[in-house]
Amino acid sequence: DTAVSQTPKYLVTQMGNDKSIKCEQNLGHDTMYWYKQDSKKFLKIMFSYNNKELIINETVPNRFSPKSPDKAHLNLHINSLELGDSAVYFCASSRQLRGSEAFFGQGTRLTVV
Amino acid sequence: DAKTTQPNSMESNEEEPVHLPCNHSTISGTDYIHWYRQLPSQGPEYVIHGLTSNVNNRMASLAIAEDRKSSTLILHRATLRDAAVYYCILNLYGGATNKLIFGTGTLLAVQP
Repeated sequence: DTAVSQTPKYLVTQMGNDKSIKCEQNLGHDTMYWYKQDSKKFLKIMFSYNNKELIINETVPNRFSPKSPDKAHLNLHINSLELGDSAVYFCASSRQLRGSEAFFGQGTRLTVV
Repeated sequence: DAKTTQPNSMESNEEEPVHLPCNHSTISGTDYIHWYRQLPSQGPEYVIHGLTSNVNNRMASLAIAEDRKSSTLILHRATLRDAAVYYCILNLYGGATNKLIFGTGTLLAVQP
């Protein structure tokens, strides 16, 4: 059983399109995250949701809109895709408890052409 | 945001211990120290974490300096499968959520 799963694994799309990435966790965690890994392999947090409530929004353009329909799901919708959005996007989850470890999905490689 | 510094790369021989150092001089009293690793084309994988005391688990040991400004991840017997980028991370907590601040990591090469 995969703890944190994301779909799709690969996504190639044209500039200007709108796309979504889905994430589900079966660990019973209260908190879910989106991280972005750029071409230089640097990982940076984008969003954090706690019990479906947005907690962290790290100055991400408003073309990125996360949505959490329930505690087990956190989807990422991206409007008007730009070349610079090409990256690997990782979903993660953790317990709410301070210091809790995070579990990451396998990533979605987004390529904007 | 608090930051960590690690060597860009290290090499080890198979079945030998590996000590991966990390400096985090700006750590605050409530920040946890986490270590994750990332194998090629995979998501980061949790390794170990601690606050003040040294920690052991089935994967590794974590030695934390008394002043908490540095720590060392210890792999007791490196295997080829341990070749990965190892991230030393400060886990900040605020607004009832944890926030991992990744650095550039150490690329560990393991030679047979």
